[in-house]
Amino acid sequence: QVQLVQSGVEVKKPGASVKVSCKASGYIFINYGISWVRQAPGQGPEWMGWISGYNGNTKNIQKFQGRVIMTTDTSTSTAHMELRSLTSDDTAVYYCARDGSAEYGDSLDYWGQGTLVTVSS
Amino acid sequence: QLVLTQSPSASASLGASVKLTCTLSSGHSRNAIAWHQQQSEKGPRFLMKVNSDGSHTKGDGIPDRFSGSSSGAERYLTISSLQSEDEADYYCQTWGVGIRLFGGGTKLTVL
Repeated sequence: QVQLVQSGVEVKKPGASVKVSCKASGYIFINYGISWVRQAPGQGPEWMGWISGYNGNTKNIQKFQGRVIMTTDTSTSTAHMELRSLTSDDTAVYYCARDGSAEYGDSLDYWGQGTLVTVSS
Repeated sequence: QLVLTQSPSASASLGASVKLTCTLSSGHSRNAIAWHQQQSEKGPRFLMKVNSDGSHTKGDGIPDRFSGSSSGAERYLTISSLQSEDEADYYCQTWGVGIRLFGGGTKLTVL
């Protein structure tokens, strides 16, 4: 069965960086992409970006341009999302989700369990 | 501009049916969408993909009580025989090149 297992809770100070991992299993990693979605307390989901499991191509929204780095390791079927220059506004649960293989995308049909990132001085 | 619009709240009685609506913005009426369920303190769960022709593909283990349909720019999620565990937030989601978008969500209360 398809599973996405994410790394654990993170507590960071403002200005620091955080790296969240997402290990995929149960499907051929390079045949799909991974999207990263975050959800701040009491808010709806917010899409951050997408990475191809095949060639590492990425798309992300302007809001995170220059601050988010998405990578994959096909040898371990793992995706990583690093967010830099954290502020308290980045406090949220971060999710990875399986997406389509191409830039056009598809439904997010499997989700990781989420990683709580708290930014506090 | 691609926008998804959902009513903020809905309610229905235990055992009844409810139909949630997601409306695509002008010019995007042929987009497929996905429905996701998020129960309290849990992560999102994919329910189904709904195409513009009304056909839908459900996720693993999604009960037959959940179904999808379409009409024009509207995409629907119908839940029949409501159970207490159906009380949740429901989000629609769509996609395009360089964009994945969520609706504002509908909070479903089971009375």
